[in-house]
Amino acid sequence: EAGVAQSPRYKIIEKRQSVAFWCNPISGHATLYWYQQILGQGPKLLIQFQNNGVVDDSQLPKDRFSAERLKGVDSTLKIQPAKLEDSAVYLCASSASTGGYEQYFGPGTRLTVT
Amino acid sequence: DQQVKQNSPSLSVQEGRISILNCDYTNSMFDYFLWYKKYPAEGPTFLISISSIKDKNEDGRFTVFLNKSAKHLSLHIVPSQPGDSAVYFCAARGGATNKLIFGTGTLLAVQP
Repeated sequence: EAGVAQSPRYKIIEKRQSVAFWCNPISGHATLYWYQQILGQGPKLLIQFQNNGVVDDSQLPKDRFSAERLKGVDSTLKIQPAKLEDSAVYLCASSASTGGYEQYFGPGTRLTVT
Repeated sequence: DQQVKQNSPSLSVQEGRISILNCDYTNSMFDYFLWYKKYPAEGPTFLISISSIKDKNEDGRFTVFLNKSAKHLSLHIVPSQPGDSAVYFCAARGGATNKLIFGTGTLLAVQP
């Protein structure tokens, strides 16, 4: 069974630029999550999708972050414009159901904003 | 507001000995607690979990203990192996959407 795929693995941009991350969850997993992990901290949930609907985006900075999950499969997370404090690892995870505690994580995208 | 806390940033243990990783939480409404393990440049992987109605769950060398009155859980690894060296995250599930809230992690180093 293929795991959660993410790309790119690394990205360096200047502040005020835009960036997009892509995630392909495990086949058949209805729930998809985007997390932000800042160095020295645990992953923090940004947004949770159930199929292609948003379940929780309470911690997504909506003035600069956006995410979509078209057709209930792949998802993209965008930051525009980026700030220095957005430097972090962005993790995508999926689970078979909402609140499924067995969330399977991708390798993450390490973003550096200079 | 840190609802899940791991107060030890790092732990060093000799191979073959017991590793004990600790986690404290503040929200009594959490219904599931989980431990994830993370190697460098990889995403976290699920290790073991425990329901709030239990006080112990065991899986091979890994045992998780839950003390609800103290709002404390711990992960025991016996015997510890060098391959166990990783960052361990404690997480708690709760709220209307059952989202996971993670602690800050503990870096475990198992010395050969």
